[in-house]
This record gives sequence, C-alpha cells and structure tokens, in this order.
Amino acid sequence: EIVMTQSPATLSVSPGERATLSCRASQSVSSNLAWYQQKPGQAPRLLISGASTRATGIPARFSGRGSGTEFTLTISSLQSEDFAVYYCQQYNNWPRTFGQGTKVEIK
Amino acid sequence: QVQLVQSGAEVKKPGASVKVSCKASGYTFTIYGISWVRQAPGQGLEWMGWISTENGKTNYAQMFQGRVTMTTDTSTSTAYMELRSLRSDDTAVYYCARGRIIAYFDYWGQGTLVTVSS
Repeated sequence: EIVMTQSPATLSVSPGERATLSCRASQSVSSNLAWYQQKPGQAPRLLISGASTRATGIPARFSGRGSGTEFTLTISSLQSEDFAVYYCQQYNNWPRTFGQGTKVEIK
Repeated sequence: QVQLVQSGAEVKKPGASVKVSCKASGYTFTIYGISWVRQAPGQGLEWMGWISTENGKTNYAQMFQGRVTMTTDTSTSTAYMELRSLRSDDTAVYYCARGRIIAYFDYWGQGTLVTVSS
C-alpha cells in the first residue's frame, strides 16, 4: 500500500497570503495524484487531477506541481472561502490512498 | 448536471449490516465507476473500494475484504455498498464518488452518516 504523507498538519495563513501544502508518496505514483478541498459538513471537492490540472470551475489561484513522489499544492492568495482541509490522493495503485490532510486556518 | 444522491442516515446495532445507496444522474452511468470512501468523526478520508458500473468488477481495500459488498443496478443508475458485522468504529460518513478505473473522484455524493451503537 502506498502511504501518502502530507505536511504540515496545520497551516496558519493570513488572508491574501500564499499557502504551500506538501504531499509525499512512499513510492512513485507518476502524475496520478489528486487534491481535494473539504469544508466542515461537506463532501470533498476535486481541485486538481493529474498533479497539475485544475478541475472545472477551480480558480487559477490554485496550482499543483510534482510527479513521482513529491507534490505541492499552492494557493497563491488565500481567500476567506479557502480555509478548509486539503487532502492529496493517489490513484496510480490499488488500494487508492489519501493523505491525512492539511488544515488551512486563519492566522 | 452530474449528481450523486445518497440514501439517508442509518443507526445500527453492533453486528448488524447496513446498505447505502447512491443514485447517479446527469451522465451515462456505465462510463464511470463508483468508489466508496468513508470518514470517521474528526478523521480523514479512507477509501473502501471501487466497482465498475460496466461489468460489476470490484476492487476492495484489504481491511474491508469479506465484510463489504459493492453492487450496481444499471436499470436505475444506482450503486450500493453493504457493510456487514458492524462495529462501533464503523461509525462514519460514507461517501460515494464517481471515477474511472485509473482516475480521480470528480463528483461526490452528499454523504450518509452511519452510526453503530448499542
């Protein structure tokens, strides 16, 4: 099983600032990596697939990079609606696995 | 528009079974598979398994093997997840999510809370 490790667990950021979230895979997942955003009481929402492709309707301030085992999600200028928990997930191997999440909170 | 609508909340006793449904609309059901993902209170996301809506082929996470069965009814565009021998640590929100065999999950159901309590 591929273990996905996200860091940091919590990121405190002021509105308008940049946030960078990391995700590491225990073995290569190629570019088969997705990022999701989840707000309290809601289902996760797809942000990024293929490590760097924004999903339909996702603002350009969200960007993803990486391949193999190291990935990042960057939010260029945090808006109030971006404070949430973010998960990475690999879909290269069975079983599909998620990181433990990074909570982005207001500083 | 694509929608996945799940069945309502359930309360079960330990040892019982639960069957959650996920009705799809707004797309051709058999083109995309369905995964099931659960989330215990205050915890992260845990993938349970995937089913092909085209041929019924399944792939289950090892920790659920023998306890979970995923099925589909193409006549109603509905996917089902049955979990048996429920324990208190199965208390969670269960989500269905659309995704092809090697793909991310682009649409999610609203979630179904399953509470296991004596």
